[in-house]
Amino acid sequence: QQQVKQSPQSLIVQKGGISIINCAYENTAFDYFPWYQQFPGKGPALLIAIRPDVSEKKEGRFTISFNKSAKQFSLHIMDSQPGDSATYFCAASSYNQGGKLIFGQGTELSVKP
Amino acid sequence: KAGVTQTPRYLIKTRGQQVTLSCSPISGHRSVSWYQQTPGQGLQFLFEYFSETQRNKGNFPGRFSGRQFSNSRSEMNVSTLELGDSALYLCASSKEFSSPMAEQYFGPGTRLTVT
Repeated sequence: QQQVKQSPQSLIVQKGGISIINCAYENTAFDYFPWYQQFPGKGPALLIAIRPDVSEKKEGRFTISFNKSAKQFSLHIMDSQPGDSATYFCAASSYNQGGKLIFGQGTELSVKP
Repeated sequence: KAGVTQTPRYLIKTRGQQVTLSCSPISGHRSVSWYQQTPGQGLQFLFEYFSETQRNKGNFPGRFSGRQFSNSRSEMNVSTLELGDSALYLCASSKEFSSPMAEQYFGPGTRLTVT
C-alpha cells in the first residue's frame, strides 16, 4: 500500500512536443505529491508539487494533473526541450510521516532536437 | 542561500568496514532525511531527524544509523559494509517536520562503492 507506480520507464519526445509521465498510488493517506528532476551526477531537484485539494497546478512549462478518485497524478512538460532530458521521479508522502517520501521508479526522458 | 552539502562526494570502502557520511542542511532547515539510491531499488527512505531525534525510519537493517547535531547537521553511519550497500546516499532537508509546506531539497549525494 506504500507503493507509488510510475510509467513509462523511458520516454523519447521530439523537441517542442509534450512529455507525459504518469504515477498511481494506493495509500489514501498520501497528501503531498512532488515531482523531482535528476540529472546525471546530481541529486534530485524539486520541480513542482501538488496537494489533493486541487486538480491541477501549473508552473511555467510544467503542469501536474491530479485525479483523487482514480488515485493518479501526472506530469506534463509542454514544449519539451533537449535541456529537459533527465530522469523524473514522482513521489508521495503523508502529513503524519514527516519527510518520508515514497518514490516512483523514475522515468528517463530524452528530448530529441 | 547555499544548498544542501554532503561530504565526502565519493568514497570507496572494503567489505566489513564502516563509513560515516555527513550532511549540512540549508540554513534554517531543521529536518534532515536520508535516502539510498540504487539502479535496482530506486530511491528508498532511510530515516529522518528533527531536533536531534530520529522521527521516522525506513526498512533498513540496524547497520544503518544516524544522528543529528544541535546545529541541524546530520551524519549517517553504515557498519559492517556489504557489497549491496554500494549506492548513492542522498540527504534532503526541509524547514519543519510534518509541515504542510514540507518541501524537501536534496544534496548532490555521496557515491559509496564497496569492494
